[in-house]
Amino acid sequence: AQSVTQLDSHVSVSEGTPVLLRCNYSSSYSPSLFWYVQHPNKGLQLLLKYTSAATLVKGINGFEAEFKKSETSFHLTKPSAHMSDAAEYFCVVSGSNQAGTALIFGKGTTLSVSS
Amino acid sequence: SQTIHQWPATLVQPVGSPLSLECTVEGTSNPNLYWYRQAAGRGLQLLFYSVGIGQISSEVPQNLSASRPQDRQFILSSKKLLLSDSGFYLCACQTGIQPQHFGDGTRLSIL
Repeated sequence: AQSVTQLDSHVSVSEGTPVLLRCNYSSSYSPSLFWYVQHPNKGLQLLLKYTSAATLVKGINGFEAEFKKSETSFHLTKPSAHMSDAAEYFCVVSGSNQAGTALIFGKGTTLSVSS
Repeated sequence: SQTIHQWPATLVQPVGSPLSLECTVEGTSNPNLYWYRQAAGRGLQLLFYSVGIGQISSEVPQNLSASRPQDRQFILSSKKLLLSDSGFYLCACQTGIQPQHFGDGTRLSIL
């Protein structure tokens, strides 16, 4: 069975400082992992995905994540936060790439960015 | 590229009333379709998914049902809403091995 744990429910940073959103996963398969972002009252937008290629994945808006199998982690980082990064972030795991496979979502991390 | 339309964007309904939320997809064929619910302060919970017309899988027992009358149409329904049905409902689609793509959601409030 697959599961995902987001270690922080809320992260606060100042504009221009680094962002770290932590995620640990559990999977009996070789997992596919994703980070999605959700702005208030909006749907989810894919930031990046890991599907067993390079372990360092670059996404949109300057975000990146590193897959570490030994630590079962997939933390999301950004070198310098921007005010527009304030949103809810979800770490997601999928057990396989087969059609019809549902995603397992973490409970989300709210990122606040202050000026 | 895929576009997902959900309507209405917001909805306020009394307890015991019926519900119909619609999701339509453009820009793809034969997608897998999903309904999720996001309750306040929680992550997303998968409610239903469909791999084809008339094929519905339910993930959790509940007061809701889903139907897929056309390839790119997915409907979420209820005969009698409960207070616990309040939440943010998201429709998603997936084609092949691509990640799921989400609509903008419907905010449902039950009074």
